[in-house]
Parts: sequence; structure tokens; C-alpha cells
Amino acid sequence: DAMVIQNPRYQVTQFGKPVTLSCSQTLNHNVMYWYQQKSSQAPKLLFHYYDKDFNNEADTPDNFQSRRPNTSFCFLDIRSPGLGDAAMYLCATSESGGASDTQYFGPGTRLTVL
Amino acid sequence: GQSLEQPSEVTAVEGAIVQINCTYQTSGFYGLSWYQQHDGGAPTFLSYNALDGLEETGRFSSFLSRSDSYGYLLLQELQMKDSASYFCAVRSMIYNQGGKLIFGQGTELSVKP
Repeated sequence: DAMVIQNPRYQVTQFGKPVTLSCSQTLNHNVMYWYQQKSSQAPKLLFHYYDKDFNNEADTPDNFQSRRPNTSFCFLDIRSPGLGDAAMYLCATSESGGASDTQYFGPGTRLTVL
Repeated sequence: GQSLEQPSEVTAVEGAIVQINCTYQTSGFYGLSWYQQHDGGAPTFLSYNALDGLEETGRFSSFLSRSDSYGYLLLQELQMKDSASYFCAVRSMIYNQGGKLIFGQGTELSVKP
């Protein structure tokens, strides 16, 4: 089945130790998104790629970076995780990013910062 | 600014009908979506309204009134498995590449036996 896959599902890192979360998709969608969701809160968009074009949200901290080496893969790099970065990180895709597009979410990676 | 408001929690009994309201204020509005999220899981798409009116998908229906900046999700014949958080999300096209979803804070629905 076509799907959005995130690895790992659970990630533990130490304060200040860089961490990379990965997302892959078999949907061949043009747009990939990264969201941060803290407990009992709404998902918050960090950035997205429209094909190879990177779009950063204005309030996304510089500590968060992303790479999309090809259509199928997208990575979220947290350069120096702080305790406040502990959250669920959700990857999503949409076919063209158009107004009528549906976003399909992966299962998420729950990040713990010690 | 952009904002969405929905109730933080709703409780109902199995077999009942429940309505979750959502009001929004946003620029570049292109439609209202609803997502379901079970505890620890990923948001799952339920419905999308681009135009005014009612969209029905099985036990779930969604309504939109653009003039009132208001929508709702209606769940009928509630089942225990419907216990989850429900998010309304506005599709916004405030830049020329790619739409974005702006989520409400979510409504936690508890279905009791």
C-alpha cells in the first residue's frame, strides 16, 4: 500500500545532541511537510517542500533544518535539541499542494530530550 | 491573523449524535478540513468542504458556511472507537507555492457506554 513512513517511531536524544528524523513516501507526491505537535496541542507547521523548493515558516527556529534529497525522502534535522523540542514530529505529503489537496500524515516520531 | 476556535472537549454516549463546531478567521481561505487523531496516532483525513453546504461520508458529515466563517463536524451513531481528538483545519494559500493547513486546537471526544 502507498503510504508515508517515518523512522524511528520513538527517538531519545540528549540535550544539545543533534538528531535526524526521517520520512519517506511511496505516494510520489510533490509536497512534503514537517509538523511539530506537543501534547494536547494542534500540529504546527515547521516547513514544507514543494518539489525541491523549501518553504520555511516565519516562526520556525533556526535550530530546525530540513533536507529533501529526492521525491521520496525528507529529513528533519534538529541541530541542538532543547527540552522544549520534545514533541511528536509528523511528516505529511500532498499531491500538488493545491487548495483541494488532502494531506496524508505518517505515524509520527515521538522525540524525547533528556 | 489567523485563528480557529473549537471546543476543547465533548462527551457523548454510544449511539448518540454529536456536533463539533469550528469558527475561523483567516486570510486566503480555500476550504475547511477535518482530521481525526487517536491518542498517540497520526491525524487521519475525514472530510473537506470548499463550498457552502453539507458533505456526507457514512456516519460523518461536515458543514461549511463561508459567510459565517463557521463549520461543523457531525458524528452519528457514535461508537466507542470514535473517541479521539478532532481537528478542524483551514486550507490557506497565502503564498504561491503549496497550500498549508492551519489547525484548530482540537476537540477531545469521549464516547461513553
